[in-house]
Amino acid sequence: GAVVSQHPSWVICKSGTSVKIECRSLDFQATTMFWYRQFPKQSLMLMATSNEGSKATYEQGVEKDKFLINHASLTLSTLTVTSAHPEDSSFYICSAIISGNTQYFGPGTRLTVL
Amino acid sequence: QKEVEQDPGPLSVPEGAIVSLNCTYSNSAFQYFMWYRQYSRKGPELLMYTYSSGNKEDGRFTAQVDKSSKYISLFIRDSQPSDSATYLCAMTGSARQLTFGSGTQLTVLP
Repeated sequence: GAVVSQHPSWVICKSGTSVKIECRSLDFQATTMFWYRQFPKQSLMLMATSNEGSKATYEQGVEKDKFLINHASLTLSTLTVTSAHPEDSSFYICSAIISGNTQYFGPGTRLTVL
Repeated sequence: QKEVEQDPGPLSVPEGAIVSLNCTYSNSAFQYFMWYRQYSRKGPELLMYTYSSGNKEDGRFTAQVDKSSKYISLFIRDSQPSDSATYLCAMTGSARQLTFGSGTQLTVLP
């Protein structure tokens, strides 16, 4: 069964508003989670690495003030898209490592900014 | 040159065919190799995870790794329409961050 959940599965918001996406590990503790975005017919692009109890590590080109990541507990990481604009519309996916180097992905959140 | 190269397809095969999906990579530091399946508008689902060179079989799926050639493959036997999806190869070294191929879109025709 699913080991990583995301909420919401889809969200539509107005330009300028902020949207929070939750990523939860089910039945296991994840000290490290990852956030990706994916545009249609493209592969996953890593946005940031979320570490429990410390600041996230962002990939080059990803604005940390726009994409706020909080990993306050061992089972929950959140991604907040602040002041969203239409170009932020995308499919956002989180993943968690259970053991070793194997990442399990959440079902994804489709964000549409009007 | 990308670190991981994967033919994007699309690949279309008849039901029951053997499917071969491939990736090549350039970074010798990659040690762990994975294949994910992604249905439209869904998150990737882990299919296979391999570490060493050689073959690993799981049901209709066989993952093959050749570290000397920097080449990995996924074979699907007796392909089914439900196998229609995008297949992503992914790999990592000690950093734990995955590097993905661009994905191959597969359609299995009934």
